[in-house]
Amino acid sequence: EADIYQTPRYLVIGTGKKITLECSQTMGHDKMYWYQQDPGMELHLIHYSYGVNSTEKGDLSSESTVSRIRTEHFPLTLESARPSHTSQYLCASSDQLAGRGETQYFGPGTRLLVL
Amino acid sequence: AQKITQTQPGMFVQEKEAVTLDCTYDTSDPSYGLFWYKQPSSGEMIFLIYQGSYDQQNATEGRYSLNFQKARKSANLVISASQLGDSAMYFCAMREITGRRALTFGSGTRLQVQP
Repeated sequence: EADIYQTPRYLVIGTGKKITLECSQTMGHDKMYWYQQDPGMELHLIHYSYGVNSTEKGDLSSESTVSRIRTEHFPLTLESARPSHTSQYLCASSDQLAGRGETQYFGPGTRLLVL
Repeated sequence: AQKITQTQPGMFVQEKEAVTLDCTYDTSDPSYGLFWYKQPSSGEMIFLIYQGSYDQQNATEGRYSLNFQKARKSANLVISASQLGDSAMYFCAMREITGRRALTFGSGTRLQVQP
């Protein structure tokens, strides 16, 4: 299983501020993902990465950006936070075990509230 | 396009009884992976069980089993001997076999285990 970490766990911030949500994993997984989830709703993919210097946008349009300079690190940045960005953000990475279907393991999530 | 449908927004079960959470899916891919995740109120996504589309036997992981009926395109989760700690949201998800290999999630079922 992956050890995957996200910080901060909770963030309350004012409109217009720049924020970076951190995500790190220690298992050397190449594939990493960011999902957005509103309370009680399904998860939607907003960004993914196959490896270093590889990033792509997901299904849900997002004003956030991501970078992948190191295998273990996949931060998400919002240049100017707005109340519409209020949500939970979940980071995941996947293993390469064929028998487990490249299971994705998730971090604890960051709950963002933009005032 | 892939689609996951979970038709039970909420379910109740008595402690120590078994419960089945429904999941149907739609895909044109001949090969795919199906997953169940548990999300407690703390927000993290916990991997429970995986079923590959070519697996001949239903997957089992401890008290969790996946009732896979390929012709009906269903992948129901069965939890045996429910415990109070099983109270949570449960999400069914499908992984793309090509391209991004991201997960498409259903809308979830909230399970409440009653003493």
